[in-house]
Amino acid sequence: KQEVTQIPAALSVPEGENLVLNCSFTDSAIYNLQWFRQDPGKGLTSLLLIQSSQREQTSGRLNASLDKSSGRSTLYIAASQPGDSATYLCAVRDGGTYKYIFGTGTRLKVLA
Amino acid sequence: DTEVTQTPKHLVMGMTNKKSLKCEQHMGHRAMYWYKQKAKKPPELMFVYSYEKLSINESVPSRFSPECPNSSLLNLHLHALQPEDSALYLCASSLLKESNQPQHFGDGTRLSIL
Repeated sequence: KQEVTQIPAALSVPEGENLVLNCSFTDSAIYNLQWFRQDPGKGLTSLLLIQSSQREQTSGRLNASLDKSSGRSTLYIAASQPGDSATYLCAVRDGGTYKYIFGTGTRLKVLA
Repeated sequence: DTEVTQTPKHLVMGMTNKKSLKCEQHMGHRAMYWYKQKAKKPPELMFVYSYEKLSINESVPSRFSPECPNSSLLNLHLHALQPEDSALYLCASSLLKESNQPQHFGDGTRLSIL
């Protein structure tokens, strides 16, 4: 059974710092991996999607990498801003069932 | 602004009530999903519809009854819910169930069971 873990569970950083969020999964037979952000009481906003054949994707200050063989993905946020404060979730799409399994999330707070 | 619209945003109901949650998208997506999210927990998949047919039911209790009347609309009918069913219910859609395109989420319905 696929299990997805995110470390750290919570992170507080001063504005301007570069930071890395981690996502680990136990079964490497994934279809793709998607990173989301969730603001309190809101739905999920898609940030980046990495297909199983890709190594990384970039969008603005965000860069996500995928190492399928080791079961890891990282989300790199450059020059963090207070507006980046949110919960970040990774989700892996199972290769057989196409179901999304979500990680436990990282709550990020960027201090002004 | 989200492209997946969920109504109502908030719902309070008693354990004997019957109510429905509604989700709509006009992106031409043929896969639609219901998730349940408890506070400070990740979303958990409930149902998947593909081409208006139920594709996945994650052993959800029968007091939750999904319906997909057309390719743009997804409903979740609620009856005889329990207090532990209080949660944020999220709807999502993607181009196809098997596609490598991202899932798009609505803002959710916050449900409280008295």
